[in-house]
Amino acid sequence: EIVLTQSPGTLSLSPGERATLSCRASQSVSSSYLAWYQQKPGQAPRLLIYGASIRDTGISDRFSGSGSGTDFTLTISRLEPEDFAVYYCQQYGTSSWTFGQGTKVEIK
Amino acid sequence: EVQLVESGGGSVQPGRSLRLSCTASGFTFGDNVMSWVRQAPGKGLEWVGFIRSKTYGGTIEYAASVKGRFTISRDDSKSIAFLQMNSLKTEDTAVYYCAREITRRIYYSYYYYMDVWGKGTTVTVSS
Repeated sequence: EIVLTQSPGTLSLSPGERATLSCRASQSVSSSYLAWYQQKPGQAPRLLIYGASIRDTGISDRFSGSGSGTDFTLTISRLEPEDFAVYYCQQYGTSSWTFGQGTKVEIK
Repeated sequence: EVQLVESGGGSVQPGRSLRLSCTASGFTFGDNVMSWVRQAPGKGLEWVGFIRSKTYGGTIEYAASVKGRFTISRDDSKSIAFLQMNSLKTEDTAVYYCAREITRRIYYSYYYYMDVWGKGTTVTVSS
């Protein structure tokens, strides 16, 4: 089973700053199968990015994804107040899904 | 509007059973793989299992943590997916979400992701 490790666990930033979130896989992952989600307290996850770099419909261009192989990155170019949340990476492989443990982006 | 609504959660004692439902609307339910994902209190997301569409045999996959205890099924005529949970353990306490899986082809690549999620239903297993 592929393990996804996200870092850092918590990112303390101010509105307007740039956030860089990392997702590292224990073995190579197809970029087509790598997605990112945002979750706010008490809410369901929301799809942001799929295929490692393709924004879902309606997602702000502040969000961008990149990476390949074992290293993937979610970047939020300029944090808005509504961006403070927990972010998860996810991958599909061998008829199963795995999630990273999440990165919390909090207001500094 | 595309929507998923979970129901059936509640409080049960260890060893008991519970059946969750996920009612879909706004899309052709039978065409999609449906997944269940759970989140224990204060923890991250954990995939539970999915059921493929009839087009792909309706086959089912489970996470190792629930295999043999949980059963996923679907009723395409009613646009409902089910999660039957037997022999519940305290560690099954979580919010359970259902999600629609998408397989999208762009040129020569296939993309897999979960694009629509329900709000979740809470399951508490405690004596």
